[in-house]
Order: sequence, then structure tokens, then C-alpha cells
Amino acid sequence: ETGVTQTPRHLVMGMTNKKSLKCEQHLGHNAMYWYKQSAKKPLELMFVYNFKEQTENNSVPSRFSPECPNSSHLFLHLHTLQPEDSALYLCASSLSSGGANYEQYFGPGTRLTVT
Amino acid sequence: TQLLEQSPQFLSIQEGENLTVYCNSSSVFSSLQWYRQEPGEGPVLLVTVVTGGEVKKLKRLTFQFGDARKDSSLHITAAQPGDTGLYLCAGGPGTASKLTFGTGTRLQVTL
Repeated sequence: ETGVTQTPRHLVMGMTNKKSLKCEQHLGHNAMYWYKQSAKKPLELMFVYNFKEQTENNSVPSRFSPECPNSSHLFLHLHTLQPEDSALYLCASSLSSGGANYEQYFGPGTRLTVT
Repeated sequence: TQLLEQSPQFLSIQEGENLTVYCNSSSVFSSLQWYRQEPGEGPVLLVTVVTGGEVKKLKRLTFQFGDARKDSSLHITAAQPGDTGLYLCAGGPGTASKLTFGTGTRLQVTL
């Protein structure tokens, strides 16, 4: 596979469940991102990882827990979510998170519904 | 906080028409990107402009970066149904990769 892949594509979970979103990039990039896209709101950056180190946490509630075991994989662990967390969660990658090399390439997203 | 306002928010046109989408900010960006997002998919990068006044063409799409690097426009000539989607602009600060995304323009092109 090429580009950025995300699994699952759709997820329905109860407020007491624990689930994880997975992202994998095959572009040789060193930076990876999680975004939240809600209806009628601009894309919201959640987390940034550069060379496996978290460099940005955009005031995200602790019920969202990211994990980046290597530069190609990124996870978002979810627990005790709220209905307002229902959204499209997008993963992206870029060559690096600094300088001019910040063109980001997005995965197809995971459509999350919290019931 | 940097904000990018896009206009119009929604646009419904017929095949063959021309249109322009605007992306405006009071902040200066070192570069500006345009993405198109189709339903159920992630945004796909269309173009990056980095120089004030720069114009780039991608087939029927023309992108311009404002002279002061605070605004940008996307012009589509002879729109086709395949142009349907959400168009997003995103401004880059030039250092950390914290892109600021615009509010989006949803385009519907009908036959």
C-alpha cells in the first residue's frame, strides 16, 4: 500500500468503551499528526509527533491518548468518550514538522460515532 | 490565534460555469496550501504557494497568493462534476508544522 492508511474506517462505540485508531504512513515521513474534523468547524489539530516525539498537544482532553511507536505508525487510544467527540478523525504525515517541509498528506479518516 | 476565513461557505453551480473561492486572513503566512476533500475521504493536497503574488495553474484550477501573503484565491474554469468537494486552504507559519486550516468552501457542481 502507498500513502497514509487508517483503520478502522468507521467506528461506533459506547461511552464506556475503550478503542484505538490506527494510522500508518508509507511515505518515509518523520512527522505524524492527528486532526479532528467536526461538522461546520475548521480542522482541529490534536497532536503532532516528530521523530516519534510528541511536539504538540493542542489542549486535548485526556480521554484521547496518542501513541507513536515509530515514525510510520500512530495510534489514538480512546476511552470514556462523550457524544460530542463524534467526528471524522484524520491522520496526516509530513517529511518533518519544521522548516519548509510541512506539506501534509492525509489518510481517509475514521468516522467515529459515540453513543 | 491565526484565522483563515473562506468565502463563500457553500457554492452550487452548473457544469461549465466559472467560480472563485477566497481565503483571507489578517495574518501573514510563509506559505499557503489548498486541499480538496471528497465525502468520506481525507483532504488531498492540490498546491502550495510560497511567494507573494505567485500564481500556479493546475489544469482548470488557478491559484494565487496575495502580494502581502495574507490571502489567496482559487479560480476554477469550466467547472465539472468531478470538482465537487470541500475546498480547504491552510496557512503555514514556516517553522513548526502547525498549519492553520480555513473554514472551508463546499462546492457542488451539477450537470
